[in-house]
Amino acid sequence: GQNIDQPTEMTATEGAIVQINCTYQTSGFNGLFWYQQHAGEAPTFLSYNVLDGLEEKGRFSSFLSRSKGYSYLLLKELQMKDSASYLCAVIDSNYQLIWGAGTKLIIKP
Amino acid sequence: ETGVTQTPRHLVMGMTNKKSLKCEQHLGHNAMYWYKQSAKKPLELMFVYNFKEQTENNSVPSRFSPECPNSSHLFLHLHTLQPEDSALYLCASSQKQDGPTEAFFGQGTRLTVV
Repeated sequence: GQNIDQPTEMTATEGAIVQINCTYQTSGFNGLFWYQQHAGEAPTFLSYNVLDGLEEKGRFSSFLSRSKGYSYLLLKELQMKDSASYLCAVIDSNYQLIWGAGTKLIIKP
Repeated sequence: ETGVTQTPRHLVMGMTNKKSLKCEQHLGHNAMYWYKQSAKKPLELMFVYNFKEQTENNSVPSRFSPECPNSSHLFLHLHTLQPEDSALYLCASSQKQDGPTEAFFGQGTRLTVV
């Protein structure tokens, strides 16, 4: 079966750095998305990786290793507004989006 | 403004009621999706429409009935639901179904079945 694993919940301190991991086992791979979802809000797009390596976008970076079936989202200089759920999703060989359950990130002052 | 609008935002309905969820997108996208989001579970894809044609139905019970009159509008008709159907129902759209295109989500309808 197809599976996406991410930690259920993480806690970090304002101003610090946090890394949210995502491992996947899917039938084929056509890219990986990270989305942010604030409570009661729509998920919003953060990043897309299809090649190995690190993609940096401001305070957020996303890394992919296809051989390891692994990605992480790195958040720097954490702000209180970064408290949200972070969803990892993989596009399989049929172009279906396979979603993880999300990681709830709690930022403390 | 997300470009994808869902109404209502909140809905409480009895198990014998009939209600409909509405989704509208102004992004010119050709694919629209209904997802169910339950607490601490992955997003569950329910239905996919591509160019107004239903292309996916992920074994969804018949008490959920989708309708896509045009590429901009998507409905989810609900009848004789069960309490376990209580969840956040998200609508999304993308440029096309096939291909690694970003999905844009509405804010969802929080459904409670009593």
